[in-house]
Amino acid sequence: DSGVTQTPKHLITATGQRVTLRCSPRSGDLSVYWYQQSLDQGLQFLIQYYNGEERAKGNILERFSAQQFPDLHSELNLSSLELGDSALYFCASSVDDRVSYEQYFGPGTRLTVT
Amino acid sequence: AQSVTQLGSHVSVSEGALVLLRCNYSSSVPPYLFWYVQYPNQGLQLLLKYTTGATLVKGINGFEAEFKKSETSFHLTKPSAHMSDAAEYFCAVSGRGGSQGNLIFGKGTKLSVKP
Repeated sequence: DSGVTQTPKHLITATGQRVTLRCSPRSGDLSVYWYQQSLDQGLQFLIQYYNGEERAKGNILERFSAQQFPDLHSELNLSSLELGDSALYFCASSVDDRVSYEQYFGPGTRLTVT
Repeated sequence: AQSVTQLGSHVSVSEGALVLLRCNYSSSVPPYLFWYVQYPNQGLQLLLKYTTGATLVKGINGFEAEFKKSETSFHLTKPSAHMSDAAEYFCAVSGRGGSQGNLIFGKGTKLSVKP
């Protein structure tokens, strides 16, 4: 158990809908990263937050957005869902992205868009 | 830009045999390098990392990896495979923190262990 929690574990929804994925980092970790894992694209970095502020953006679609709250949990919002958004979404956390470079991954949320 | 290439999407070994999973990276700055393992229907678990210092790094479950700058490689090895090692292994590279701290992953190598 990495200490990173993600909810829900599974999500099935229809095209055009909007969903919110939630991540709670390890206690004391300030940085949260979101990654998408799909069969065709592999593991891709989406976005990073550090202590409530956006730090870096990767291959994140405009239909997707994220935020990190004062209690350091993070949410990834996916809207106008398409079939191709079906994937495993991972959240990872690290203590401080300038000191500790280890990222600890949650168990993931499996999103199925039908 | 940074990138990672893992040679071999599937590797099969016999129990007790040497495990060698290959990883080559491309980076314009000294990279940080990682190996993660993913068991079916689970998240990624850090096996080992290289940041600075000794180029031979030891990780969990008997795995180790050697950073070879001249070959831009970070291959993962284990002297004797166990059935429980069957999983998918990902090599990753990152920059040195800040806005460069995100991981860039290879496509993964699925390891099968035959009895």
